[in-house]
Amino acid sequence: AQSVTQLGSHVSVSEGALVLLRCNYSSSVPPYLFWYVQYPNQGLQLLLKYTSAATLVKGINGFEAEFKKSETSFHLTKPSAHMSDAAEYFCAVSAFGNEKLTFGTGTRLTIIP
Amino acid sequence: SAVISQKPSRDICQRGTSLTIQCQVDSQVTMMFWYRQQPGQSLTLIATANQGSEATYESGFVIDKFPISRPNLTFSTLTVSNMSPEDSSIYLCSVEVGWGANEKLFFGSGTQLSVL
Repeated sequence: AQSVTQLGSHVSVSEGALVLLRCNYSSSVPPYLFWYVQYPNQGLQLLLKYTSAATLVKGINGFEAEFKKSETSFHLTKPSAHMSDAAEYFCAVSAFGNEKLTFGTGTRLTIIP
Repeated sequence: SAVISQKPSRDICQRGTSLTIQCQVDSQVTMMFWYRQQPGQSLTLIATANQGSEATYESGFVIDKFPISRPNLTFSTLTVSNMSPEDSSIYLCSVEVGWGANEKLFFGSGTQLSVL
């Protein structure tokens, strides 16, 4: 079975500051890990995914995430926040690629001008 | 990529009635998925719908409550039957597009359902 814990349902950062959204996972098999973003009134959009290749995964819009097996973490980062990054972010885990994703409860990111 | 049109975008329904949600994709896809996002909770997979076969339901979801149709490779419907206030959620369809390392899930914008 897989599960995901996102620490912090709300995160606020200043424009230009580092964005760090935390995700810890539990999986009985080598996991596939995902970060999705949801802008208001839009569907979820894939930011990046980890599929057992490089542990540092680069995604769209300047985001990246690092898979750390020893810490069972897959935190999402962006060096410099932009106002357009304000959205809800979901971490997800799967043992079957894109099938049967288990999502975290989401983190709402607010950017302070 | 894939463009997903989900209808209705929102609805308010009476207890005991049923609502059918439509999901239309702009390209042929093999796998379609239906998710539910209850208030303050994460997305939960309801079922996987493949064309030409019965939908596969996850634990806690049954066909009588959430019948699914998948008549072709670009369309699916999810019906929420005999609704109660506990069914108030956002319902999302998603599709898998691409091959191998380029496989991606695309999501519709969701149907926000409120049951009175």
